[in-house]
Amino acid sequence: DGGITQSPKYLFRKEGQNVTLSCEQNLNHDAMYWYRQDPGQGLRLIYYSQIVNDFQKGDIAEGYSVSREKKESFPLTVTSAQKNPTAFYLCASSKRTGIKVYNEQFFGPGTRLTVL
Amino acid sequence: AQSVTQLDSHVSVSEGTPVLLRCNYSSSYSPSLFWYVQHPNKGLQLLLKYTSAATLVKGINGFEAEFKKSETSFHLTKPSAHMSDAAEYFCVVSDRGDNFNKFYFGSGTKLNVKP
Repeated sequence: DGGITQSPKYLFRKEGQNVTLSCEQNLNHDAMYWYRQDPGQGLRLIYYSQIVNDFQKGDIAEGYSVSREKKESFPLTVTSAQKNPTAFYLCASSKRTGIKVYNEQFFGPGTRLTVL
Repeated sequence: AQSVTQLDSHVSVSEGTPVLLRCNYSSSYSPSLFWYVQHPNKGLQLLLKYTSAATLVKGINGFEAEFKKSETSFHLTKPSAHMSDAAEYFCVVSDRGDNFNKFYFGSGTKLNVKP
């Protein structure tokens, strides 16, 4: 079965702790993305990566970090510098079909992070 | 600049009646447009997409959308609502003129289906 997996489904963090959210895809997609979703708002882009070992900041990158060491994996670390991390986090991927042209994005099931 | 406006934050219909979810966009170039659906605490699922082929796009679960360039609209419709359609729907624009095909999300429309 091809798809995107995210783990854990629920995550609880104490203030001052860093946590890492996992995202894995077996779709052989080139690009991967992290979004944050808050109630009543659309998705906001945190980071994205078009190729291995390269990634760019999105609209709300402060307090987050990522790595892209393998094509299949794009973990997101929520650091203690992120002042309001409680949210639903969604990972997505898409296939490149041309120079800087990508197909639709496929989404994982999400991770709900709560700061205690 | 690219943007998406979903004109209704909540829509309520009775089962068996038509559904209309409205979306307007702004785009500098030739856009690709998408509708996604999200059930509670789940990821987003693609319903349909427009990528400059036919202006009337058919998607999954009986949904369709019409691209109207003159009105900069991409409204989502379904002839007859089902209880399982209750979810949140997102309109998305992706602009090929961008350096990277960034997705711009609307703020979402929650669809309630009454029995």
